[in-house]
Amino acid sequence: DGGITQSPKYLFRKEGQNVTLSCEQNLNHDAMYWYRQDPGQGLRLIYYSQIVNDFQKGDIAEGYSVSREKKESFPLTVTSAQKNPTAFYLCATRGTVNTGELFFGEGSRLTVL
Amino acid sequence: SQQGEEDPQALSIQEGENATMNCSYKTSINNLQWYRQNSGRGLVHLILIRSNEREKHSGRLRVTLDTSKKSSSLLITASRAADTASYFCATAVSGYSTLTFGKGTMLLVSP
Repeated sequence: DGGITQSPKYLFRKEGQNVTLSCEQNLNHDAMYWYRQDPGQGLRLIYYSQIVNDFQKGDIAEGYSVSREKKESFPLTVTSAQKNPTAFYLCATRGTVNTGELFFGEGSRLTVL
Repeated sequence: SQQGEEDPQALSIQEGENATMNCSYKTSINNLQWYRQNSGRGLVHLILIRSNEREKHSGRLRVTLDTSKKSSSLLITASRAADTASYFCATAVSGYSTLTFGKGTMLLVSP
C-alpha cells in the first residue's frame, strides 16, 4: 500500500534516554515534516526537509534531531535535552512543495516515565 | 505563535444537523487548508482554498474564505456520527512556506 509508516505506535522512555521515531514513505514525495501535538495545543512544527541531505528547524526544534539520508526516510530523535517529550508525534509528506496538501502518518505516542 | 485559531473549541450536534467551524488568522496567506483528525490517528486533508478564491465545495463540505476579515469557515451539511472528529485549519503564508496549524475544533455528532 502507498503511504506513510510511522513506528513504533507507542513508546515508553525513561528520563535521560534518547529515542528515535521512524517515518518511512513510498509516495515519492520530496518534502517531509515532523509535528508535535499536545492536548489543546494543535500541531507544532519540529523539523522539515524539502530534499535529501537537507533539513531545516521548525518552531520547536530544541531537544530534537533529524537526518534525511534517503528520500523515503526521515527519522526523528528525541534527545534527553528535550525537557517535556511526552507527546503525540506526527510525520507528514508533501507532494507539491508549492501549495500542496500534507499527507500524514498515523502517529507515534511517546510517554516518558 | 499559532497562525490560525478555530472557533468554537468544541461543538456538539445531532445527526442530520449542519456543523459550522470558523478559523481566523493574523497575516496574509497564500492558501488555507482544512484537515480532519479522528482520535489517536493522523490528520487527513479535506480541502484547500487559495487566497483568490471565496468558496469551494467538496461533497458535504463547503469552505469559505474572507481575506478582508482574515477568516474562513467550514460547513459540514447533514452531519453523521462518523463525522465526529477534530477539525484543524492550516495556513501557508506563501506558496513555498510550511503550514501553520490552529488548535482545532472538536466536533461530536450524536446519533
